[in-house]
Amino acid sequence: EDQVTQSPEALRLQEGESSSLNCSYTVSGLRGLFWYRQDPGKGPEFLFTLYSAGEEKEKERLKATLTKKESFLHITAPKPEDSATYLCAGVVGSARQLTFGSGTQLTVLP
Amino acid sequence: EAGVVQSPRYKIIEKKQPVAFWCNPISGHNTLYWYLQNLGQGPELLIRYENEEAVDDSQLPKDRFSAERLKGVDSTLKIQPAELGDSAVYLCASCRGPNTEAFFGQGTRLTVV
Repeated sequence: EDQVTQSPEALRLQEGESSSLNCSYTVSGLRGLFWYRQDPGKGPEFLFTLYSAGEEKEKERLKATLTKKESFLHITAPKPEDSATYLCAGVVGSARQLTFGSGTQLTVLP
Repeated sequence: EAGVVQSPRYKIIEKKQPVAFWCNPISGHNTLYWYLQNLGQGPELLIRYENEEAVDDSQLPKDRFSAERLKGVDSTLKIQPAELGDSAVYLCASCRGPNTEAFFGQGTRLTVV
């Protein structure tokens, strides 16, 4: 069964303390890997798309990378406003389902 | 450019009652998704449309859930009758094609009492 797994489930950082979130996938024929940010009470907000191993995308303090088995979301010098749940999703299988992981809840303390 | 619009934002109903959710996708987006999200979990796919055709509804509980996308634009998701376990956030998303980034609406929070 195609799966997308995120770790850790929750992460607490001090402001300025850089870290990485992991998204691993056990899928056949990954057709795209997507990162989203979700704030409480809102729908997921699109951040990045990655298609090929070795690809990297950056936006402000966030950088997403992709290997053949996993993706990382690197957060450099985070600020309290970066606190949110970060979701990754993969387009998988012949049915091209957009399958989500369960998310990492990030809290950045001032 | 207007985003994905969902209504209502909140709905409280008694169990066994019917309920319907509406979604207006981004103009020109052929692919439309309905997801269910429980607290602390990632979204779970219910159904995917390519234009007006439901191409993946394997996760939709067909005994009580139904969906339609007339003319390949707006979509409605219906539950009849609702059960207590249906309480969740129902998200609609759209994208240009199945391998492209999807954009989400704000969701409808359903509470069944």
